Amino acid sequence: EAQVTQNPRYLITVTGKKLTVTCSQNMNHEYMSWYRQDPGLGLRQIYYSMNVEVTDKGDVPEGYKVSRKEKRNFPLILESPSPNQTSLYFCASSLSGSLYGYTFGSGTRLTVV
Amino acid sequence: GIQVEQSPPDLILQEGANSTLRCNFSDSVNNLQWFHQNPWGQLINLFYIPSGTKQNGRLSATTVATERYSLLYISSSQTTDSGVYFCAVEQNNDMRFGAGTRLTVKP
Repeated sequence: EAQVTQNPRYLITVTGKKLTVTCSQNMNHEYMSWYRQDPGLGLRQIYYSMNVEVTDKGDVPEGYKVSRKEKRNFPLILESPSPNQTSLYFCASSLSGSLYGYTFGSGTRLTVV
Repeated sequence: GIQVEQSPPDLILQEGANSTLRCNFSDSVNNLQWFHQNPWGQLINLFYIPSGTKQNGRLSATTVATERYSLLYISSSQTTDSGVYFCAVEQNNDMRFGAGTRLTVKP
């Protein structure tokens, strides 16, 4: 089944403790992206990647890192999480960066205390 | 960057009613997609509709690209239609989401 897989689904952590949220897709998509969703703000893009070793900042990149060493994986790294990064996170992918066939993962609900 | 506005922000319907959700965008776009986020948080593609009209069962969508808006119609609403509906647009690989319309359908 074609899908985007995020892990974990839920995560509670403490301020300052480094964490990684994994994202993997099995559709050979070139484009992958991370979003955060906060009440009343819709989805805001954190980082995106057009292909392996090519990443760019989205609208809200501060406090986040990403890497794209392989086509299928696009992990989101929080080096020193803070409470304002408590949010619902989504990974998404598409073949070429178009909205056509845009596929989201199931989401990761992160709480930083 | 391009601005995307959705209206209304909240909508409460009785089961069986019809509704229209609107998405306005501030500039010409290459692509437009409607998504439904169900109460469990999953985001599901509804329509890829950069222009024209499409229908899928009780749902249909129309985009008038020259006037920079898109409409999502839900007819004979059901409780399973509840959730948040997002409009997303793309302009030269820059993707923007609206803030969404939260729909509640009461039995």
